[in-house]
Amino acid sequence: GAVVSQHPSWVICKSGTSVKIECRSLDFQATTMFWYRQFPKQSLMLMATSNEGSKATYEQGVEKDKFLINHASLTLSTLTVTSAHPEDSSFYICSASEVAGGKRNEQFFGPGTRLTVL
Amino acid sequence: GNSVTQMEGPVTLSEEAFLTINCTYTATGYPSLFWYVQYPGEGLQLLLKATKADDKGSNKGFEATYRKETTSFHLEKGSVQVSDSAVYFCALSGYAAGNKLTFGGGTRVLVKP
Repeated sequence: GAVVSQHPSWVICKSGTSVKIECRSLDFQATTMFWYRQFPKQSLMLMATSNEGSKATYEQGVEKDKFLINHASLTLSTLTVTSAHPEDSSFYICSASEVAGGKRNEQFFGPGTRLTVL
Repeated sequence: GNSVTQMEGPVTLSEEAFLTINCTYTATGYPSLFWYVQYPGEGLQLLLKATKADDKGSNKGFEATYRKETTSFHLEKGSVQVSDSAVYFCALSGYAAGNKLTFGGGTRVLVKP
């Protein structure tokens, strides 16, 4: 149980285009999904937290107009990198927390999406 | 704020050697502590966790004990295999922080046959 998928697993795009990455919880309902960015040989940097049906909360320094997050259902969140540039190339990882009425909840991670912007 | 410090790598070991990765933390309240493992090109997998002081998390031969007095959660394995080569992340989360995870910098482990 507690499987999280991401699609696509990798994507290459031209500079200036937009890319959408999907994160799905396959066998549980996730009130909260998190989006992380990871640079080569570095730790994960939390970009934003999204709660189903409400606006995402972005971490300091993350451009919300650049990284659009939508959490329309309890099983799907999307991250859209708008007008991508080479510096947006990175490994993007999502995680999901299960609905459990106020208890502390573990985050389950997706396999990641590698974005390369040419 | 919360923070996690773990030893820098890379750590290079021979097969069947003993592995220790140190992890210390700073947090308010009583956080949960985690070790995640990341294999090349993949996302993170939870390796083990502990939710209160003196708890011991264990999985796949790895162990870590939640030490509140030393604010530590060191990862150990008695006999590593080549397949244990990966990057290991120590992390904490606190209810007060909305269950956000705070990660350490990661430790790359390379096990040679």
